[in-house]
Amino acid sequence: DVKVTQSSRYLVKRTGEKVFLECVQDMDHENMFWYRQDPGLGLRLIYFSYDVKMKEKGDIPEGYSVSREKKERFSLILESASTNQTSMYLCATRGTVTYEQYFGPGTRLTVT
Amino acid sequence: SQQGEEDPQALSIQEGENATMNCSYKTSINNLQWYRQNSGRGLVHLILIRSNEREKHSGRLRVTLDTSKKSSSLLITASRAADTASYFCATAGRLGNFNKFYFGSGTKLNVKP
Repeated sequence: DVKVTQSSRYLVKRTGEKVFLECVQDMDHENMFWYRQDPGLGLRLIYFSYDVKMKEKGDIPEGYSVSREKKERFSLILESASTNQTSMYLCATRGTVTYEQYFGPGTRLTVT
Repeated sequence: SQQGEEDPQALSIQEGENATMNCSYKTSINNLQWYRQNSGRGLVHLILIRSNEREKHSGRLRVTLDTSKKSSSLLITASRAADTASYFCATAGRLGNFNKFYFGSGTKLNVKP
């Protein structure tokens, strides 16, 4: 079974702080994704990575950056957290053979 | 945007009844997937239907796809309280060499025991 873990289930940060959200997978998947989920808006893609050190912007990359130094780990960075980044953040992975995505449990981030 | 949109936004039924959720999308797709999300958790893949398929079954799940109408439906038969969750459709488009997925805002299903 694919296991996707995220560093925190709940996180509270102050405006202006630098925030790191980490995602680790154990299935050797090439593709990793970061989404944010807000009520009524569904999931929106922030960034994705298809290989180590490779990254592509999704639909809403502003205010975020990512890092993928190792295949199993994909980090989302909020350079200077703002209240409008309060959201549920979901990490997902996908192999190259199937279209199915595997999701982590999510991190609910509150920025005050 | 290729985003899928689910309908209805919320659905409440009694245990044992069937639940039907619909998804509409805007542009041509490679495939369409359905996911389930229990409250406060990540999404779990349920079923995938390819653009050249019209119907697919998996246990109590039945998915149909009508590419001419750009719509799909998910039917859960003989629902159980454990089916209470939000259900999302996701369409896979193409971004260069990579398949990008668009998720709708979901249907919240409540199955009353």
